[in-house]
Amino acid sequence: AQSVTQPDIHITVSEGASLELRCNYSYGATPYLFWYVQSPGQGLQLLLKYFSGDTLVQGIKGFEAEFKRSQSSFNLRKPSVHWSDAAEYFCAVDYGGSQGNLIFGKGTKLSVKP
Amino acid sequence: EPEVTQTPSHQVTQMGQEVILRCVPISNHLYFYWYRQILGQKVEFLVSFYNNEISEKSEIFDDQFSVERPDGSNFTLKIRSTKLEDSAMYFCASSGRTGRLNTEAFFGQGTRLTVV
Repeated sequence: AQSVTQPDIHITVSEGASLELRCNYSYGATPYLFWYVQSPGQGLQLLLKYFSGDTLVQGIKGFEAEFKRSQSSFNLRKPSVHWSDAAEYFCAVDYGGSQGNLIFGKGTKLSVKP
Repeated sequence: EPEVTQTPSHQVTQMGQEVILRCVPISNHLYFYWYRQILGQKVEFLVSFYNNEISEKSEIFDDQFSVERPDGSNFTLKIRSTKLEDSAMYFCASSGRTGRLNTEAFFGQGTRLTVV
């Protein structure tokens, strides 16, 4: 069955440090890939998406993600984390079997140390 | 900036009662979705809706659930007889895809449903 794996449940980084959140998916073909962020008490906000083309995609708030077909991965990165980035991050995949049925990973909670 | 609006933000209901969660999708969108997130767990797909009918539903979406677009703006999720395990955050989403390329979904702020 298709699945999305975010292996890190909770990550703590210092403010100003770099960040990488991991996401792997299981699927034979290339799905459409998304990263969403959920701040406490808020809904899900789209950070970035990959449909096709350049495998390095830029998103909002200084985030980027790189699609690596060989590793079935779509890791999220940010070179310098800000305290306001503390939130939960969800990787999501659209396997194309329906109209927008996204499958989400379990999420990675990011804490930022001053 | 257009957004998906959900009401209420928090609803408490007694077990066995019917509850209706309301959503106003982005006005020119054509595809509508409900997801839920049980506390501490991942976001799960419930149902997608297009052209006034369900296009896909998950195994979570059993006979206790129904969706409706009663007018041109609202999109509702009804749970007929709530169970304790229905307690979750329910997210509405909409997307404006007209083909395979536009799968970006915009999410509302969520309705936290607590069944007691």
